[in-house]
Amino acid sequence: QSALTQPASVSGSPGQSITISCTGTSSDVGGYNYVSWYQQHPDKAPKLMIYDVINRPSGVSNRFSGSKSGNTASLTISGLQAEDEADYYCASYTSGSTLIFGGGTKLTVL
Amino acid sequence: QITLKESGPTLVKPTQTLTLTCTFSGFSLSTSGVGVGWIRQPPGKALEWLALIYWDDDKSYSPSLKSRLTVTKDASENQVVLTMTNMDPVDTATYYCARRLRADAFDIWGQGTMVTVSS
Repeated sequence: QSALTQPASVSGSPGQSITISCTGTSSDVGGYNYVSWYQQHPDKAPKLMIYDVINRPSGVSNRFSGSKSGNTASLTISGLQAEDEADYYCASYTSGSTLIFGGGTKLTVL
Repeated sequence: QITLKESGPTLVKPTQTLTLTCTFSGFSLSTSGVGVGWIRQPPGKALEWLALIYWDDDKSYSPSLKSRLTVTKDASENQVVLTMTNMDPVDTATYYCARRLRADAFDIWGQGTMVTVSS
């Protein structure tokens, strides 16, 4: 199974909104409402930001939102803040009852 | 408070077997629906899911690494052990354990442990 496809990098200015895409297949992203997103700052463990496509864990800012259309899931961050600068990874449940991650996206806040 | 912590060798030689232990607290691996997974990240690279063990001892492995991986649990000791055979320098990575929240999600992660494979 190949990693889910994410853009290598995205950028935005403070206050703006950005969207990170995560493209898979009908055997993973498109087949289940089981897509999650993680934020990872340098030398830190990943932090769960979104699960089941659209749900935010307790404590995660409502500036973070998730969606899905077909085989592509998306993470949108509104009102960009400097602290949002990090790497972001998507993950999806698969038809093989396994999990697969995306290649990661580096978010730069200009 | 839920915590997980990985432990094991920081350096292993090629062809050796790696054994990592995840010691957790704040939840029980005997509770229905609970699982603990292993994820790794080579330096500067992406996350890679390795394995998952469930409360009922069901297990799931990455297809590409399945032949080299074994995951076991000791629920009474609040530990999960990952074994990876025939280690290679490409297996150099930070290895994380994490609690499974849903089919797609790990909500609490350990701090990670760096493992270097070198002769």
